[in-house]
Amino acid sequence: DVKVTQSSRYLVKRTGEKVFLECVQDMDHENMFWYRQDPGLGLRLIYFSYDVKMKEKGDIPEGYSVSREKKERFSLILESASTNQTSMYLCASTDVGAQDEQYFGPGTRLTVT
Amino acid sequence: QKEVEQDPGPLSVPEGAIVSLNCTYSNSAFQYFMWYRQYSRKGPELLMYTYSSGNKEDGRFTAQVDKSSKYISLFIRDSQPSDSATYLCAMWVDSSYKLIFGSGTRLLVRP
Repeated sequence: DVKVTQSSRYLVKRTGEKVFLECVQDMDHENMFWYRQDPGLGLRLIYFSYDVKMKEKGDIPEGYSVSREKKERFSLILESASTNQTSMYLCASTDVGAQDEQYFGPGTRLTVT
Repeated sequence: QKEVEQDPGPLSVPEGAIVSLNCTYSNSAFQYFMWYRQYSRKGPELLMYTYSSGNKEDGRFTAQVDKSSKYISLFIRDSQPSDSATYLCAMWVDSSYKLIFGSGTRLLVRP
């Protein structure tokens, strides 16, 4: 059974803190994604990685960075958290050429106060 | 204008009803069309996938694509309370790495 796990289900951080969100997949997938999901806005792509140490900006990369040192692990970093980064963060992975079938993790609900 | 438009709902129906969920889109280059289902406090999961125009059926679910109208639909027959979830449409251009998602329609099926 395929699995994408995220390090935390709920997280509360203060403005200005550095925040790490981790995602691990056990399917040997090449591609991994970070989205944020907000009411009325749907899923918006933050960053994408198609290989170890490779990354591409998505639609809303400002205020975020990512790291992919190992194939199975993709981290999202908020360098200095702000209240407008309060959101649900979803990680996903796909095999090469299978963008249609993205496997999602359960999400991390981040609140920045 | 968003690339993909989807009514947020909520859509509330009695058990056993036929449900119709829809999305419109503006980019005629989209070739692949998906429906994801997302239960509360879970990540989305792929429900149906269609390439180009036409219908695809899977049990109680039928996905329909009309590329001439830039309109896609998901029909649920004999709806069950367990179908209560948010349904997101998604689209993809072959040559791109990313899916474009609709904002989701929340469906409530009343027992």
